[in-house]
Amino acid sequence: KNEVEQSPQNLTAQEGEFITINCSYSVGISALHWLQQHPGGGIVSLFMLSSGKKKHGRLIATINIQEKHSSLHITASHPRDSAVYICAEEEYGNKLVFGAGTILRVKS
Amino acid sequence: DGGITQSPKYLFRKEGQNVTLSCEQNLNHDAMYWYRQDPGQGLRLIYYSQIVNDFQKGDIAEGYSVSREKKESFPLTVTSAQKNPTAFYLCASSIFKNTGELFFGEGSRLTVL
Repeated sequence: KNEVEQSPQNLTAQEGEFITINCSYSVGISALHWLQQHPGGGIVSLFMLSSGKKKHGRLIATINIQEKHSSLHITASHPRDSAVYICAEEEYGNKLVFGAGTILRVKS
Repeated sequence: DGGITQSPKYLFRKEGQNVTLSCEQNLNHDAMYWYRQDPGQGLRLIYYSQIVNDFQKGDIAEGYSVSREKKESFPLTVTSAQKNPTAFYLCASSIFKNTGELFFGEGSRLTVL
């Protein structure tokens, strides 16, 4: 059974800090998704990657296929980054499996 | 603007009642999904549809029903057979099944009184 594990479960940071959220999975995948759930409940897709690294503004996502591990980094964090960050692995031709999420709070 | 619209955002239901959650998309996506979110757990797939008039059960389909009569619409009915229906429900879509970026609605929070 495939599982997606995220760490940490909860993270509190000071504004400006560099933040890393980790995601590990147990089977081979075709892609890894990073999602952001804002306090109202809606979810926005941040990244979908199958190798290497992607960057969008202050957000960076990396994936190591051999180690079955992905990280989401936030540089120069800001209170508006406070949200739940969710990773999800996409198996070949199959469904997505979601992690439980990391609750991030950035204090000013 | 293109997107997914879910309604209602909040819904209260008495035990024994069926309730239908609406999901409409104008992204011209073929695939649509319904997920359930409970505290401390990852999203779990209830039903998905790859094409009009076709849908498949996900991991937790018992007590739920769906229809896909139009490409834009994928309503979810929470029936009285669902033992623990209080949850946050999210509708999503993608161009094709399990391919490409997922687009989510704002969610519907159902509370059974």
